[in-house]
Amino acid sequence: GAGVSQSPSNKVTEKGKDVELRCDPISGHTALYWYRQSLGQGLEFLIYFQGNSAPDKSGLPSDRFSAERTGGSVSTLTIQRTQQEDSAVYLCASSLVRLDEQFFGPGTRLTVL
Amino acid sequence: RKEVEQDPGPFNVPEGATVAFNCTYSNSASQSFFWYRQDCRKEPKLLMSVYSSGNEDGRFTAQLNRASQYISLLIRDSKLSDSATYLCVARGEYGNKLVFGAGTILRVKS
Repeated sequence: GAGVSQSPSNKVTEKGKDVELRCDPISGHTALYWYRQSLGQGLEFLIYFQGNSAPDKSGLPSDRFSAERTGGSVSTLTIQRTQQEDSAVYLCASSLVRLDEQFFGPGTRLTVL
Repeated sequence: RKEVEQDPGPFNVPEGATVAFNCTYSNSASQSFFWYRQDCRKEPKLLMSVYSSGNEDGRFTAQLNRASQYISLLIRDSKLSDSATYLCVARGEYGNKLVFGAGTILRVKS
């Protein structure tokens, strides 16, 4: 079956531009997570969606970052006015229920010039 | 201090060797723990959960010491295919998010 997919796989943008990153979770998974991973660093939690509940946004580093999840499935992470320090791999994960194993997508490698 | 800390390595070991990784966590309220494996430029994948009683899956053994806030992973009879980064992970008090260590690099050589 299909796993978690993300698009684009690579994104190069100029400082100050907005970017949108997309995540398609595994069908039927109610929980969706966004993380980012900088070179040599562990994964940093960004945001979590569970069903129709209000998302846990406690990991978003600034108000330039936002995410939505439409119809309980696809999610979009938006970064406004990108900065060079936003360069990282952005990983999406989904799980069947809240405490279940998380399955990761291949990530989007974002480079801000 | 990072919430989950690991020795970054790299651990360079010959095939067949036994290698152990350690990890410490600072949040005593952490509820559950995992080891994920991440291959170069790939996404992390769950290797095994870590139970208080310790658990074993083939060549892999995980241990948890809550008193010392310490987690370990033992790999016996290392294979070339074990070469990867091993991420120690703690689930926070409210279960919404996983806190990842920066990973330990393992290189198994023939």
